Amino acid sequence: AQTVTQSQPEMSVQEAETVTLSCTYDTSESDYYLFWYKQPPSRQMILVIRQEAYKQQNATENRFSVNFQKAAKSFSLKISDSQLGDAAMYFCAYRTYFSGSRLTFGEGTQLTVNP
Amino acid sequence: EAQVTQNPRYLITVTGKKLTVTCSQNMNHEYMSWYRQDPGLGLRQIYYSMNVEVTDKGDVPEGYKVSRKEKRNFPLILESPSPNQTSLYFCASSFNSPRGASEEAFFGQGTRLTVV
Repeated sequence: AQTVTQSQPEMSVQEAETVTLSCTYDTSESDYYLFWYKQPPSRQMILVIRQEAYKQQNATENRFSVNFQKAAKSFSLKISDSQLGDAAMYFCAYRTYFSGSRLTFGEGTQLTVNP
Repeated sequence: EAQVTQNPRYLITVTGKKLTVTCSQNMNHEYMSWYRQDPGLGLRQIYYSMNVEVTDKGDVPEGYKVSRKEKRNFPLILESPSPNQTSLYFCASSFNSPRGASEEAFFGQGTRLTVV
């Protein structure tokens, strides 16, 4: 069974600084997707960024980028130029390529942005 | 607008009183699922459905029921709620895409359930 681990329950960052959230996963599959979801106080689950395992290039979405290390099964999220609106719970998630595959989530990291 | 709609958003109920949380999507997605979110545990899958009349258990199915009579709807039923089912619940939907197709799961707004 696949597992996803986020070892940082809480992180904080100063506004305009950079922060990295860690995520590791365990799987025997070779093809899969990885995601970072943001959950602000509104509770809405917002997709931040996705990575397909067969792509060696790290995904980037504006101020958000990932460091995908397939051999190490590591998938960290870097937030540059942090903004107050980035404060949220962040979840790392995994799914295989197979049809109907479910998402497996990590425990979450609560990010605080200090002004 | 593409969306997943859950109702209600908040619910307080008493132990043993049957309740249903509704979920509806307008994106013609085949795959729908229910998750519960608890502090320190992330989101865990309760049940899922790969299409109409096809449902199966997830990781934490005890105490829950689902049905999929129509493609767009996937209600979650708690026939005899207990306090340990107090949680934040999410419905999600996506396509059953073939291998290689990247697909995003769309989430409902969440339902905060309290069982006293």
